[in-house]
Amino acid sequence: EPEVTQTPSHQVTQMGQEVILRCVPISNHLYFYWYRQILGQKVEFLVSFYNNEISEKSEIFDDQFSVERPDGSNFTLKIRSTKLEDSAMYFCASSGAANTGELFFGEGSRLTVL
Amino acid sequence: GDSVTQMEGPVTLSEEAFLTINCTYTATGYPSLFWYVQYPGEGLQLLLKATKADDKGSNKGFEATYRKETTSFHLEKGSVQVSDSAVYFCALLNSGYALNFGKGTSLLVTP
Repeated sequence: EPEVTQTPSHQVTQMGQEVILRCVPISNHLYFYWYRQILGQKVEFLVSFYNNEISEKSEIFDDQFSVERPDGSNFTLKIRSTKLEDSAMYFCASSGAANTGELFFGEGSRLTVL
Repeated sequence: GDSVTQMEGPVTLSEEAFLTINCTYTATGYPSLFWYVQYPGEGLQLLLKATKADDKGSNKGFEATYRKETTSFHLEKGSVQVSDSAVYFCALLNSGYALNFGKGTSLLVTP
């Protein structure tokens, strides 16, 4: 069964460093997403991406964050100058259609900022 | 703004017990409602959905009915199994692309 894969599974970084989280969405999907879950809190939407541009972003997704689809398979989330409060589980997801809510999620990348 | 509230966990049940996980929502308009499940070590998976009032979503023995009058979408299963142990997330989609999730409810089913 096709699946969304994320790397790394866990990353520890120092405050102020840049981090790139990588995702390989399901191959025939066209819509890509990043969500995050801070420990003990809700899963929060960060950004959606379609046709090589951001289609929607939340207030959380400020200038510190960026997304990119550098080739035909990868979808990346870059966090510049990480802060302690960026520590969270980051989930990548993809879907084959827009606005259905039927997303396929990866297992997550746990980011720890020290 | 839109929001989803789930009952706090963890919920511990014996095998074959009846399960209810409560979910209520606040939203304008007519959102679609979802239950996602996360098994240990895996990503979130769509369990079931309902797109309009009085619709019932069902999958793997789980059911939830979209109740607009009570703004609820409670998850139920008649007889849980150990393999149902997971975290369950209620979510809504109103407009746009962003799913709005609840905090999640952890379920542990013991033999």
